[in-house]
Amino acid sequence: QVQLKESGPGLVKPSQSLSLSCSVSGHSISRGGYYWSWIRQLPGKGLEWIGYIYYSGETFYNPTLKSRVTISDEKSKNQFFLKLASVTATDTAVYYCARVEVGHATPFDYWGQGLLVTVSS
Amino acid sequence: DSQMTQTPSSLSASVGDTVTLTCRTSQTIFDFLNWYQQKPGQAPKLLIFAASNLAPGVPSRFTGTGSATDFTLTISSLQPDDFATYFCQQTYTSPPTFGQGTRVDI
Repeated sequence: QVQLKESGPGLVKPSQSLSLSCSVSGHSISRGGYYWSWIRQLPGKGLEWIGYIYYSGETFYNPTLKSRVTISDEKSKNQFFLKLASVTATDTAVYYCARVEVGHATPFDYWGQGLLVTVSS
Repeated sequence: DSQMTQTPSSLSASVGDTVTLTCRTSQTIFDFLNWYQQKPGQAPKLLIFAASNLAPGVPSRFTGTGSATDFTLTISSLQPDDFATYFCQQTYTSPPTFGQGTRVDI
């Protein structure tokens, strides 16, 4: 059974960077065929795709966040990471990591439980 | 980006009812449309992919239909476990985008 779990600080100061980890079990991120994704849910609002990373290291980012986002991985630990720079209160959200199969119409099939990150001084 | 509009934003129903949720997109996405269920404090759960295909383990009372720009999710014989928020998501264009959700209340 594939499982994902987010970890990281729940509180980040404005202008600092938000750094989160996603630990994956039940599937090696070193295998091809899947993108490893970050998605966030703003308070009381819908879901926003942030970006994903492929096992090759290739990354894809949402254009609205691209200038501030870096997604990386550590295959030896079966983890991938999100860094969001220069955060403001509008980045307060629940952050999810998720898996999506490579392909044109594929859904996010496994999700982490989510981690609330609040941006506040 | 492909804009997703879900209607209604919320609805009230009773156990045993049949409800229909709608998702409309700003451009044709063929059948590249997925539906998720989210309960408070939980991550979204995949219900239907490619407009009409039931995800593994999802009860058959959930039905997805539609193509191009108009899609529906029908829940037949609502069960207590079905009271949740439902999101649609398109994967035809990048970035993938989600609707704002429809909350189904008792």
